[in-house]
Amino acid sequence: AQSVTQLDSQVPVFEEAPVELRCNYSSSVSVYLFWYVQYPNQGLQLLLKYLSGSTLVKGINGFEAEFNKSQTSFHLRKPSVHISDTAEYFCAVNPWGSARQLTFGSGTQLTVLP
Amino acid sequence: AAGVIQSPRHLIKEKRETATLKCYPIPRHDTVYWYQQGPGQDPQFLISFYEKMQSDKGSIPDRFSAQQFSDYHSELNMSSLELGDSALYFCASSLGRGSNSPLHFGNGTRLTVT
Repeated sequence: AQSVTQLDSQVPVFEEAPVELRCNYSSSVSVYLFWYVQYPNQGLQLLLKYLSGSTLVKGINGFEAEFNKSQTSFHLRKPSVHISDTAEYFCAVNPWGSARQLTFGSGTQLTVLP
Repeated sequence: AAGVIQSPRHLIKEKRETATLKCYPIPRHDTVYWYQQGPGQDPQFLISFYEKMQSDKGSIPDRFSAQQFSDYHSELNMSSLELGDSALYFCASSLGRGSNSPLHFGNGTRLTVT
């Protein structure tokens, strides 16, 4: 079984400041890793994914994440946030070779303040 | 680009009533997934279909059933509704059911049971 831990449930940050949203996972097998964003009253939108290769993954809206296998982490970063980045962010994993059953973390509410 | 369409967007039902949620996947996507997201919770996998056959089953109550039709749209049928069924129900689709193919989510159906 897999589990995902997002250590921060709420992250307030001022506009144009950098931000890091933390994600750690636990799995007995190798996994694919994803970050999704959910804007109010909307569905989940894929930000980025790590499948293989370079451990630094770039996604949409200026976000990037780094896969660290030894620390089983996949933290999401943005060097300068905008008001429009205010949303809930979910980290998710899926084991290699399995049919799709994403396991989500509990989410991090990012609030960008003016 | 076409996205996953869910209908209705909002649904209000009374206890013990039935509800049907519909999902229209992205064209050419052959796999559909249903997730339930309770208030302040992360999405929980309910069930998935690949090529019109059930692929995986998660934490779907026995009171719920789902199917995928010949045009690949899917319906989630919920009977004997309970207050605890109030949640946001997401449908997602993908091309193939490999664990590395990203899910594309709809905007969800918000079900309120009174």
